[in-house]
Amino acid sequence: EIVLTQSPGTLSLSPGERATLSCRASQSVSSSYLAWYQQKPGQAPRLLIYGASSRATGIPDRFSGSGSGTDFTLTISRLEPEDFAVYYCQQYGTSPEWTFGQGTKVEIK
Amino acid sequence: EVQLVESGGGLVQPGGSLRLSCAASGFTVSSNYMIWVRQAPGKGLEWVSVFYSGGSTYYADSVKGRFTISRDNSRNTLYLQMNSLRAEDTAVYYCARLRWGAYYYMDVWGKGTTVTVSS
Repeated sequence: EIVLTQSPGTLSLSPGERATLSCRASQSVSSSYLAWYQQKPGQAPRLLIYGASSRATGIPDRFSGSGSGTDFTLTISRLEPEDFAVYYCQQYGTSPEWTFGQGTKVEIK
Repeated sequence: EVQLVESGGGLVQPGGSLRLSCAASGFTVSSNYMIWVRQAPGKGLEWVSVFYSGGSTYYADSVKGRFTISRDNSRNTLYLQMNSLRAEDTAVYYCARLRWGAYYYMDVWGKGTTVTVSS
C-alpha cells in the first residue's frame, strides 16, 4: 500500500502570502492518479486539482499543482480569506485502493 | 444540477447494523464509478468501498466482510450496508462520484451522514 505523507501538518500564514504544501508518496505514483482536495469545517471535501496539475472546474488560478514520481506540491499563490482550510492529497493505486494523505491545515497567522 | 445526498446515519450499538443511502441527481449512478469515503472525528479521509459501473465492487481491508456496497438503478441510489459495526467505524460517511479513465479523482461529493457506534 502506498502511503502519502503531507507536510507541514499546519501552515500559519497571512492573507496574501504564498502557501506551499507538500505530498510525498512512499513509492512512485502516476501523476494521472494524484489529486488534491480542500475541506472546510463541517463541509465535504472539494476537488481542487486532478492529474497532479489540472485545475477542477471553477477552481481559481491561484491554485496550482505540480510534481511527479514521489513528490507533489500544491501551491496557493496568494491566500484569500476563504482558502484557510485543510488540504488533502489523494492517489489511486491499482489494487485498487484510494489513499489520502493525513492533511495539511492552512491557518491564519 | 449534479448532486449527491446521503442518509441513513445514526447511533447504533457495537455489533449492530445500518444501511446508508446516497441518492444521486443530475447524473446516472449506474454509468459511473461511485465510492464511499469516511472521516472519523478529527481525523483524515479513508476510502471504504467502490462500485464500478460494470458491477465490480471493492472494499478497504478495514471493512471487508462486514460492509456491502450496492446500487438500485431504478432509484439512482447507492447503498452501503454496514454489519458488525465497531466503535472504530464511527465517522462521517461521504459518497462521491469517481471519475476514471485517463485520471482518477472524486469530483462530486455529498454532504455526508454521521454514524456513531456506541453503547
